[in-house]
Amino acid sequence: GENVEQHPSTLSVQEGDSAVIKCTYSDSASNYFPWYKQELGKGPQLIIDIRSNVGEKKDQRIAVTLNKTAKHFSLHITETQPEDSAVYFCAFPAGGGNKLTFGTGTQLKVEL
Amino acid sequence: DAGVIQSPRHEVTEMGQEVTLRCKPISGHNSLFWYRQTMMRGLELLIYFNNNVPIDDSGMPEDRFSAKMPNASFSTLKIQPSEPRDSAVYFCASSPLRRGANTEAFFGQGTRLTVV
Repeated sequence: GENVEQHPSTLSVQEGDSAVIKCTYSDSASNYFPWYKQELGKGPQLIIDIRSNVGEKKDQRIAVTLNKTAKHFSLHITETQPEDSAVYFCAFPAGGGNKLTFGTGTQLKVEL
Repeated sequence: DAGVIQSPRHEVTEMGQEVTLRCKPISGHNSLFWYRQTMMRGLELLIYFNNNVPIDDSGMPEDRFSAKMPNASFSTLKIQPSEPRDSAVYFCASSPLRRGANTEAFFGQGTRLTVV
């Protein structure tokens, strides 16, 4: 079945450094690639998404890149701040329809 | 809009008891999803509805789990009888349904279920 691999599972960076999280997917028909952020005690929240007709999308300190040939997409956070500490999930539409399959999550910790 | 509303926020119940989780999606959204989150298995899709109709329930673990959506503004997830391994955080999410395009899923705050 369709699946997505997410790496790393944990990531610790110093404040101001960059963080990169990568996901690899199997379904070549996928055309929508969102990233979600989950803070403690809350539900996941969309932070950025990309569709397969573009290779990169940027929103202030956050960017997502897509490589359809290699079937992977990455989240880039620049100038990290303590409030960026959270769990980040990639997702993609598996098997058609409106449903999303989520990656295993990356616990990001930004240290002062 | 207040977002997706789930109740209760926390539920502690004894093994064998029936548990009902409730969800109110965002008004105007016609897709509704139930997810379960655990440390071992991450975020798993249990079932989803389009226009109140169940589309895919392949993620429902077993017959003890059932979900309903009697109208566009309410859904329930029921576990009967509950078991300790059902302990998890259950999320409800909703999204607008756009023909030929995926859209953002908005999540509720979740219900933390503990079965003792």
